[in-house]
Amino acid sequence: SQQGEEDPQALSIQEGENATMNCSYKTSINNLQWYRQNSGRGLVHLILIRSNEREKHSGRLRVTLDTSKKSSSLLITASRAADTASYFCATPMEYGNKLVFGAGTILRVKS
Amino acid sequence: DAMVIQNPRYQVTQFGKPVTLSCSQTLNHNVMYWYQQKSSQAPKLLFHYYDKDFNNEADTPDNFQSRRPNTSFCFLDIRSPGLGDAAMYLCATSDGTSGGALETQYFGPGTRLLVL
Repeated sequence: SQQGEEDPQALSIQEGENATMNCSYKTSINNLQWYRQNSGRGLVHLILIRSNEREKHSGRLRVTLDTSKKSSSLLITASRAADTASYFCATPMEYGNKLVFGAGTILRVKS
Repeated sequence: DAMVIQNPRYQVTQFGKPVTLSCSQTLNHNVMYWYQQKSSQAPKLLFHYYDKDFNNEADTPDNFQSRRPNTSFCFLDIRSPGLGDAAMYLCATSDGTSGGALETQYFGPGTRLLVL
């Protein structure tokens, strides 16, 4: 299975702290994506990092990719209560227009 | 704004009573997906359409069917809902014309199905 695994399963931090979530996957990838899901809503694409990239930034988000370890991390700096959500990593299947999602990390930011 | 729309947002049905969930998109994407998501789990792909070509996942029960009458609309039919089918159903789209590995998927807000 190409499915990614994420840790931690749940993370609770205070507003202003940084949050780090990790994702591991099993096969070679072309890119790795991170999505956010607010409670009871659909997923929103956050950031995509390609296999030839090691780090990417978008606002308060920083994503790293280590293809030798088949792992990625998502760092949210200076967290806000509005960052409370589930975060999923996803990798494309080698063939076909499909993504495989990790199990997700539930982030709670306390104000 | 271009978007993915799902109706209804909440659907209540009775055990065994057929139900249809709908999805529409204004992104003009050629790929549309249906996912099932249960509480605290990752979305699970049921099937997807590449244009008119239907692609079923191997472990999707026969109870789940789909229709895509045109580029903009896609429907999920649950022929005989069971209690275990209560879940959030997510529709998504992607632009499959760029070739290569899939990049971004765009999700609708989901329909939460309750089976009584």
